[in-house]
Amino acid sequence: DAEITQSPRHKITETGRQVTLACHQTWNHNNMFWYRQDLGHGLRLIHYSYGVQDTNKGEVSDGYSVSRSNTEDLPLTLESAASSQTSVYFCASSRGAEHNEQFFGPGTRLTVL
Amino acid sequence: AQSVTQLGSHVSVSEGALVLLRCNYSSSVPPYLFWYVQYPNQGLQLLLKYTTGATLVKGINGFEAEFKKSETSFHLTKPSAHMSDAAEYFCAVRNTGNQFYFGTGTSLTVIP
Repeated sequence: DAEITQSPRHKITETGRQVTLACHQTWNHNNMFWYRQDLGHGLRLIHYSYGVQDTNKGEVSDGYSVSRSNTEDLPLTLESAASSQTSVYFCASSRGAEHNEQFFGPGTRLTVL
Repeated sequence: AQSVTQLGSHVSVSEGALVLLRCNYSSSVPPYLFWYVQYPNQGLQLLLKYTTGATLVKGINGFEAEFKKSETSFHLTKPSAHMSDAAEYFCAVRNTGNQFYFGTGTSLTVIP
């Protein structure tokens, strides 16, 4: 069955370190998204991609970057981790048509000490 | 700009009682509307969606929602709550772009 996976599921890092969160989907979806989930804020969009070599900034993109070298993967990099980036991160994907829903991965809980 | 408002960050109902979770949206064009459910330590799962056609949409686990354009609402209901319905529920709107805009979520507690 097609799926979307994230790794690691849990990560503890120190302030200033570079961290990369992996997202892999086997749906063959063009669209991929990264969100962070924080209490009281719901899900906020970090970055998104509509296809290979395409990346776009979302609502809360400062301190994050993504790259899309193939259809299946959209890794999220925290260039220099900060305590404010402690959060749960979700990756999602969708087909191109507007009425299609997003499919979510299981999430990565990141703690920055 | 899109926005989604979920009234009530916490809702408690007794087992067997009606579940009503409220969602209002702002959109300059007719939107596509979604409800997702999130169980503890899991990702979001689609409950139901409205795209076009019938305004009353039925989803999984006995949930349904009605799109009311005049009220810009898409409230989620279930006639009889079950203990397994305890979760976080998110309303989302998507317009002609590919981006989703999520509400801040409503935590549903079901009291035995």
